[in-house]
Amino acid sequence: AQKVTQAQTEISVVEKEDVTLDCVYETRDTTYYLFWYKQPPSGELVFLIRRNSFDEQNEISGRYSWNFQKSTSSFNFTITASQVVDSAVYFCALNAGNMLTFGGGTRLMVKP
Amino acid sequence: EPEVTQTPSHQVTQMGQEVILRCVPISNHLYFYWYRQILGQKVEFLVSFYNNEISEKSEIFDDQFSVERPDGSNFTLKIRSTKLEDSAMYFCASSVTYRNTEAFFGQGTRLTVV
Repeated sequence: AQKVTQAQTEISVVEKEDVTLDCVYETRDTTYYLFWYKQPPSGELVFLIRRNSFDEQNEISGRYSWNFQKSTSSFNFTITASQVVDSAVYFCALNAGNMLTFGGGTRLMVKP
Repeated sequence: EPEVTQTPSHQVTQMGQEVILRCVPISNHLYFYWYRQILGQKVEFLVSFYNNEISEKSEIFDDQFSVERPDGSNFTLKIRSTKLEDSAMYFCASSVTYRNTEAFFGQGTRLTVV
């Protein structure tokens, strides 16, 4: 069975602050894929990143960066210099079969 | 840019009625999915569909649910006799393959059962 835990249910920051969203996963599979999705207030799910279990390289995309650590089963997401438009619910997800298992989500509120 | 399209965006139905939620996946994708998100909760997997049959389903996907690909483009989710607890956002998704590619999600259908 797969499980994804996002311990932070809600985070509030002031614009331009850096913020890290935590994600811890559990799986018995040796091959799996991790994802982050963003859900803005409009409700759709927007894909942000995919990472496979064999690639522990950190990734940076603009203001976004991801830290994958297999040793601690974590896949954390950092937003640098946050902006009001980053306000959304962020979901971490695990795919170890033919389905995505989502974490409970972290609601990020960025205040001006 | 290709996208997954869902209709309607919002549906209100009376308890006990049948509803059909419709989705048009991205045209070259082979795997199709339905997920559900009860308001304020996490997104939950319902069912995956490949080669005209269900490949996996969750415990939520009981006998009142069914899926179909009636033609080459649409993918539908039917709820036979809706209950109040079926009220949720239903997301359709599709992917080229499974596991190692991202699933592209539609904008969702908000189902309200009254």
